[in-house]
Amino acid sequence: GENVEQHPSTLSVQEGDSAVIKCTYSDSASNYFPWYKQELGKRPQLIIDIRSNVGEKKDQRIAVTLNKTAKHFSLHITETQPEDSAVYFCAASTGSGNTGKLIFGQGTTLQVKP
Amino acid sequence: EAEVAQSPRYKITEKSQAVAFWCDPISGHATLYWYRQILGQGPELLVQFQDESVVDDSQLPKDRFSAERLKGVDSTLKIQPAELGDSAMYLCASSRAYSGGIEQYFGPGTRLTVT
Repeated sequence: GENVEQHPSTLSVQEGDSAVIKCTYSDSASNYFPWYKQELGKRPQLIIDIRSNVGEKKDQRIAVTLNKTAKHFSLHITETQPEDSAVYFCAASTGSGNTGKLIFGQGTTLQVKP
Repeated sequence: EAEVAQSPRYKITEKSQAVAFWCDPISGHATLYWYRQILGQGPELLVQFQDESVVDDSQLPKDRFSAERLKGVDSTLKIQPAELGDSAMYLCASSRAYSGGIEQYFGPGTRLTVT
């Protein structure tokens, strides 16, 4: 079945710097790749996603890139702020429509130091 | 903005007891998911419903876990008997599930502690 590997497990940056989190997946049929942000004690929140027919997507300070050939995708956060500190999860979807399910990575704890 | 509701938020139980968690998805979302999240790890799918039917329960420990969504709206996840290793966050999520993506929205979760 699908396997998603996420790196690094922890990431510490200075406020204003950029942060990059990388994920690889194993199932070449995966077609949907969301990123979730989870603050301590709170629910995972969908922050951005990308579909397999797109190579890059941006939303303000957040961007995601997808390399289908290499089977990896990355989250890029620019101009980091202390409120960006959280655990970030990548996921890959196998199947489609009503039968699709998400396989999550192990998470990256991002700390943004003021 | 509509959100997924879950209750209780916290549950402490002794091993061998029965526990039940409830989830109410976003209105109109046909697909409902139950996940287990162990501290420091990503969510792991336990069971997926499409309306009232189970689509995937391959990772559900069926000897002690059960899930139902009788009317295709809210859902209940039960553990009987609970074991120490069941201590985790139990998350419910829902999605409209249209072709091209399965945007899932999570509830606040139930933090289960088994003593």
